[in-house]
Amino acid sequence: EAGVAQSPRYKIIEKRQSVAFWCNPISGHATLYWYQQILGQGPKLLIQFQNNGVVDDSQLPKDRFSAERLKGVDSTLKIQPAKLEDSAVYLCASSLAGQGVAFFGQGTRLTVV
Amino acid sequence: KNEVEQSPQNLTAQEGEFITINCSYSVGISALHWLQQHPGGGIVSLFMLSSGKKKHGRLIATINIQEKHSSLHITASHPRDSAVYICAVRVGNQFYFGTGTSLTVIP
Repeated sequence: EAGVAQSPRYKIIEKRQSVAFWCNPISGHATLYWYQQILGQGPKLLIQFQNNGVVDDSQLPKDRFSAERLKGVDSTLKIQPAKLEDSAVYLCASSLAGQGVAFFGQGTRLTVV
Repeated sequence: KNEVEQSPQNLTAQEGEFITINCSYSVGISALHWLQQHPGGGIVSLFMLSSGKKKHGRLIATINIQEKHSSLHITASHPRDSAVYICAVRVGNQFYFGTGTSLTVIP
């Protein structure tokens, strides 16, 4: 079965620029997660969707980060404007609602210079 | 304090050595996952545990629910096992992650 697709794989931008990441979860997976993984740390949950509704966005820096999953399938994560400390790998994961196995995408490595 | 603590943070081993990575957690969990992350790559799920022990090839994962502790063992380690190993626990529909153990296996 096809896995979680993310794009782009790599992105380099200057601080104060905007960037958007895209994620297409596994077909039928109602739950979608966006994580931020800074080098040397474990992934940190940014936002969790159940279908097109937000379940948890308590750690999302809402002054600059936004995410949407309008049709309950694919999702975009946007940073506007980016800061140097946003340099990280942004991981998307999906799972069937109520089940524990989460499948991860390859991630988007963002470098802000 | 993190909900999930891993040790060691970094581990270097000679090829063929037996390796153990530990994970302790402080919350009530539905399941525990061991994940593998290669440099520049995505994350692959190795095991999902809710009790007992699982084995896949040279990898063995155990969990003690009462002690809130899990271990990941690698037998006859190989350089291709070099990766970051992450422990994650599921609480309801949310995941909490350890900071990972960076393993380097030297030929």
